[in-house]
Amino acid sequence: SAVISQKPSRDICQRGTSLTIQCQVDSQVTMMFWYRQQPGQSLTLIATANQGSEATYESGFVIDKFPISRPNLTFSTLTVSNMSPEDSSIYLCSATSGDGYTFGSGTRLTVV
Amino acid sequence: AQRVTQPEKLLSVFKGAPVELKCNYSYSGSPELFWYVQYSRQRLQLLLRHISRESIKGFTADLNKGETSFHLKKPFAQEEDSAMYYCALKSGGSNYKLTFGKGTLLTVNP
Repeated sequence: SAVISQKPSRDICQRGTSLTIQCQVDSQVTMMFWYRQQPGQSLTLIATANQGSEATYESGFVIDKFPISRPNLTFSTLTVSNMSPEDSSIYLCSATSGDGYTFGSGTRLTVV
Repeated sequence: AQRVTQPEKLLSVFKGAPVELKCNYSYSGSPELFWYVQYSRQRLQLLLRHISRESIKGFTADLNKGETSFHLKKPFAQEEDSAMYYCALKSGGSNYKLTFGKGTLLTVNP
């Protein structure tokens, strides 16, 4: 199955700034997904990213706050914009692969 | 709306004891159910999917549509089974969205 490289693995950012998280897949995948995992909580889907079309956002998430790019079938980025401490979380990318879904190793974001 | 419930946040058993991690779902169509596992300092990885009906690392899970459950079972727990376990549901058709439960942290004591 596909392997995803996600970076950065962690970062500490000042409030009001933006952070872009990158995910590189070692094979072409149709669908990629971005999740947020807040402390002690489950994974919550932010958006689905297909190559060549705008991302589809879940309820409670908007493009201005979480812009996503999907320039080709092996790469995607998620930007967390105008960050506040409430954005402190683990962000994960995922892709459909083989029999299920494969996940990146996550980005642990702390906003101070 | 689809929902996945894992009622136990924490589960602690002794090595060699049977273990059952509960998962119930709510979905009006034909769901596809998964179990994902996250070992310490590792990424989330697929453990089981109900369609394949496999046994992985001694774990099995049967989809019970009547009870809307997909409990994960292992007859004899090992210390290396200690991890976070997530039940997830994929709605049918062309919608590939996964809905996760809140997870159960399994600790297997020596």
